[in-house]
Formats: sequence, C-alpha cells, structure tokens
Amino acid sequence: AQSVTQLDSQVPVFEEAPVELRCNYSSSVSVYLFWYVQYPNQGLQLLLKYLSGSTLVKGINGFEAEFNKSQTSFHLRKPSVHISDTAEYFCAVRTPAQGAQKLVFGQGTRLTINP
Amino acid sequence: DAGVIQSPRHEVTEMGQEVTLRCKPISGHDYLFWYRQTMMRGLELLIYFNNNVPIDDSGMPEDRFSAKMPNASFSTLKIQPSEPRDSAVYFCASSPGYSNQPQHFGDGTRLSIL
Repeated sequence: AQSVTQLDSQVPVFEEAPVELRCNYSSSVSVYLFWYVQYPNQGLQLLLKYLSGSTLVKGINGFEAEFNKSQTSFHLRKPSVHISDTAEYFCAVRTPAQGAQKLVFGQGTRLTINP
Repeated sequence: DAGVIQSPRHEVTEMGQEVTLRCKPISGHDYLFWYRQTMMRGLELLIYFNNNVPIDDSGMPEDRFSAKMPNASFSTLKIQPSEPRDSAVYFCASSPGYSNQPQHFGDGTRLSIL
C-alpha cells in the first residue's frame, strides 16, 4: 500500500521569497504523483502531475516539482510567492495499475504568505 | 465544461435529521469519489464508483452513511440519522477511466450538525 507524508503542516513565507513544500511517499511499485491546491472555501485543484519521463514537472501558477526516485520524494517549489498563493497544498500518489483509481493524499501543508 | 457540481454548498441541520448531499460529475467521467475533510482527520475517501457501481466503500464510517449513483450524471451521499461528529466538508470528485488522469473536485458541501 502507498502512503504520503507531507513533512510540514504549516509553512509561513514572506511575499516574493522562494518556497519548498516537502512530500515523501512510500510504495513498493511505481507511482503517479500529484500536487493539488485548495484555496479557502473551494475544492482541490490540480497544480501538476508526474507520470513518467522528465523528473522536473512544471505546473500552473509558476509552481514546479521534482520527482526523486531514490529519495522517494516529490517536493513542490516556487521561486517567488505571491499573497494569492496562500492556500493548503496536498501531495497525492496513485499506482499505474489498471483500475487503480484511488488517490492517497498527504495531510496537507498550509502555506501562509506574509506581506 | 461545468466541472463537478455539488449541492447544497452549505447545510445546517439538527442532530437526528436525515441529510442528503448531491453531486453531478463531469460528463464522460467513469469514476466518482466521495471524500470527507475535517481538521482532525484531513481528507478521507469514503466511497467510489466506477460506471455507477460502488467499487470500494471501506471508508464509509458506519451504517448511518449510504451512497448511491442511479445514473452516470448523479450521485447522493446520505446520512441518517446525522450526528454532530458528522460535521465536515464533503467533496465529490470525478475522473476519466485512466489512472494517469487527475481527479476533478467540486467545491464541496459544508455540513454542520447541531
């Protein structure tokens, strides 16, 4: 079974500073990896996904993530954050097996941007 | 594309009452998921359907919870009788039939049981 650990429950950052949100996963098979963002009073929106190929994945709103198989990590980064990036961020994993539709989510990281 | 549509957005009711949450998935999506989100437990998968058939309901907390999908464009999650500990945000999500495709979430129903 897969599991996901988001190492920080809260990350406060000043506006225009860089940020990294950490995600580690465990799985005995290959996986697909996803980052979702949840703005206040909204559902989850897909930021980016890693399926295969290049380990550096670019997403919406200037975010990117790097898949590291040896460290079983999929950390999310942004070089310069804005107030509008204040939200909760979820890392999720799924196996590529046919019919394997369940996503396993981490506990989330609350990103707070201070002016 | 209208996205996943949930109703109501907010529901406040008294303990013991029946609660019905509704979801319309994205047209053409084969899978539908019901999640519950709380501060204490985070995001929990309750049940999911494939082509209107329940596949995994192991996350349904107890018999007071039931979910149905009578057709490809509609699903309900029912709680009867409701209890204060059921207060949470309930999300519906849908996805196409390929595991490399992401799930698309609705905006959720915020449920408060008094």
